[in-house]
Amino acid sequence: GAGVSQSPSNKVTEKGKDVELRCDPISGHTALYWYRQRLGQGLEFLIYFQGNSAPDKSGLPSDRFSAERTGESVSTLTIQRTQQEDSAVYLCASSSTARTEAFFGQGTRLTVV
Amino acid sequence: GENVEQHPSTLSVQEGDSAVIKCTYSDSASNYFPWYKQELGKRPQLIIDIRSNVGEKKDQRIAVTLNKTAKHFSLHITETQPEDSAVYFCAASIEDSSYKLIFGSGTRLLVRP
Repeated sequence: GAGVSQSPSNKVTEKGKDVELRCDPISGHTALYWYRQRLGQGLEFLIYFQGNSAPDKSGLPSDRFSAERTGESVSTLTIQRTQQEDSAVYLCASSSTARTEAFFGQGTRLTVV
Repeated sequence: GENVEQHPSTLSVQEGDSAVIKCTYSDSASNYFPWYKQELGKRPQLIIDIRSNVGEKKDQRIAVTLNKTAKHFSLHITETQPEDSAVYFCAASIEDSSYKLIFGSGTRLLVRP
C-alpha cells in the first residue's frame, strides 16, 4: 500500500480480555515504532524495531504489553488482560531508516469497557 | 533515557502573527529533530526536520532553529493562518543503540481569525 496501515481502526473490548493490534508498514521501511496517545495527550513511546536488531522495548508500560515484527514487514502489538487505563489510540509509524521521516498510520482506537 | 520537554502546552495567536514553540532535550548525542503537526482526529504528519549539522532550516512560513550547546530547538511559524491551528509535536532521535524517536508533550496552537 501507499502508506502505513493499521487494523482494526476501532476496537472495543471488555476488561480482562486480550487484544491484538496490527501494523503494516510502508514496504521497504526498516524502522517501525509503536506509540500510545491518550485523549488530548502526547505520543508515548512503546517499542521500536530497526531491521534485524533487537527491539527497544524500553517504553512498554507493563508485562501485559508485547510486540512482534516479522522481518521488515507486519508488526503486532498485543495487550493481555486489558485494563481501562489501556484505552487510547495506538499509533504505528515506519521510516526507511533511523533518523528519517516517520510516517504514521491512522491509529487503532482501543476502548476497554 | 532521553527526555524532551516542550513549551508552551497551549498557544493562542491572532491570524497573521508569529508563533514560536520551544523544546529542550537531555541527551547531547541526539542529532535528528523533527516536528509533527496533528490536526484534530488525524495522524501526525512531518512538517519540517533538522539535523545537528545545521543551525537553522526554513520552508516557506515555517522555520526551525537548533542550539546544540543549550540543547534546545524551536519551531517558528510566521504569518499564521487559521489552518495552522493544530497540535504540534517536537521530537528527538537518540543516538544510542536504537535511534528511537522520543516526542515532546505537544503544543495546541489556536490561530484566531
